[in-house]
Amino acid sequence: KQEVTQIPAALSVPEGENLVLNCSFTDSAIYNLQWFRQDPGKGLTSLLLIQSSQREQTSGRLNASLDKSSGRSTLYIAASQPGDSATYLCAVPLGGGSQGNLIFGKGTKLSVKP
Amino acid sequence: GAGVSQSPSNKVTEKGKDVELRCDPISGHTALYWYRQSLGQGLEFLIYFQGNSAPDKSGLPSDRFSAERTGGSVSTLTIQRTQQEDSAVYLCASSLYGYTFGSGTRLTVV
Repeated sequence: KQEVTQIPAALSVPEGENLVLNCSFTDSAIYNLQWFRQDPGKGLTSLLLIQSSQREQTSGRLNASLDKSSGRSTLYIAASQPGDSATYLCAVPLGGGSQGNLIFGKGTKLSVKP
Repeated sequence: GAGVSQSPSNKVTEKGKDVELRCDPISGHTALYWYRQSLGQGLEFLIYFQGNSAPDKSGLPSDRFSAERTGGSVSTLTIQRTQQEDSAVYLCASSLYGYTFGSGTRLTVV
C-alpha cells in the first residue's frame, strides 16, 4: 500500500531563507511525482512534475529532486518570499502508472515572515 | 479550455436536499478525478474516470454519492439527501501526464 509522508508538517521562516521540504513514499514503483501548492480556501496549483526517470526539475526559485530507490523527494525553495506562504503537497499516482488515484501527503504548511 | 473549470464555486444547501457539482476538464485529458477536502483535512479520493472504462468508485463514501462523465468530457458529481458532514471543498482534476486541479466547489450544508 502506497503511503506518502511529508516532513515537517509546518515551517515558519524569515523572508530570504532557503528551505527544503521533504516527501517520502513507501512504494518506489512510481511513474512520477508531483508537487502542488494550495493557498487557503483554494484549489491546488501544480508546481513541478518529476518523471521517474528524472533526478530533478526546476522552475524559477523552485527545485524538486527525486530519489526513487530511497523513496524520497525534496522541494527546495530559494530566497523565500512572503508570497510563498501556502501548504505544499506532494503526490504520486497509485498503481505505478501515469494516471490513477493520486496519493497525497498531508502537506507542509509554510509561513514566510516579512 | 485553458484549465479545469468547476461550478458553482460556492453552494449552500439545506440538509436533505440534492446537489449537483460540475467539472469541465482540460480538452484532451483522458482522465478525470473527484476529491474532497474537509476543513483542515487532507484530500480524500472519491472517484476516477479513465476514457471509456468503468469508473473507479472505490472512494465514494456512501450510495448518496454518484458521478457521471458524459461524452468523455464534462462530469457531474451528485450528492443526494445531503448531510452536514458532506460540507467540504470538492475538487476536480484532469490528467494526461500531470494532474491539473480546478478551484473547487465549497459546499456548505446547513
